[in-house]
Amino acid sequence: GAVVSQHPSWVICKSGTSVKIECRSLDFQATTMFWYRQFPKQSLMLMATSNEGSKATYEQGVEKDKFLINHASLTLSTLTVTSAHPEDSSFYICSARSGEYGYTFGSGTRLTVV
Amino acid sequence: QKEVEQNSGPLSVPEGAIASLNCTYSDRGSQSFFWYRQYSGKSPELIMSIYSNGDKEDGRFTAQLNKASQYVSLLIRDSQPSDSATYLCAVNIFGYQFYFGTGTSLTVIP
Repeated sequence: GAVVSQHPSWVICKSGTSVKIECRSLDFQATTMFWYRQFPKQSLMLMATSNEGSKATYEQGVEKDKFLINHASLTLSTLTVTSAHPEDSSFYICSARSGEYGYTFGSGTRLTVV
Repeated sequence: QKEVEQNSGPLSVPEGAIASLNCTYSDRGSQSFFWYRQYSGKSPELIMSIYSNGDKEDGRFTAQLNKASQYVSLLIRDSQPSDSATYLCAVNIFGYQFYFGTGTSLTVIP
């Protein structure tokens, strides 16, 4: 089956610094990847849709200058949280459409900003 | 109006019983429907997908879809303590975008 590898699994950073999260499709090409955020006891909220070779599409209320998305290849999409603040602490998950396999999620990244 | 709604629970069932999880959606153009299981601190994992009206069975799991009534349900037979998790209903309307429900927390009591 399709696998999406997401790194890091968890990260702690200081307020004001930036953090990069990577998602790689290991055995398929992902022209589109989705980035979600999940706060405790809440559902997944779509942040943005990442398209290979073009600008990401952000959901309403998501700051594009704060959450930088790059999808430079068919197997790699990155999310950079810039100038992180404690309220950005959350569980970030990527997902990719994998053709016959449907949609596959990465393992998630637990971000804690202190 | 939320696209996808679920009863947040918690739902508790004894081991061996049938757990019934329900989900309603608002957009009649919804094309495909998914149930994901999410353990605490983990990413969601796909349990079932269903695209047409009726029932779809996979092992102990049965997904039921009724497009006229705009609901989709998941039945878990012979519930096990390992089934204790949050179950997310997801709906795909057009293209690639998913809409997730808030999830139903299930606890199976040994």
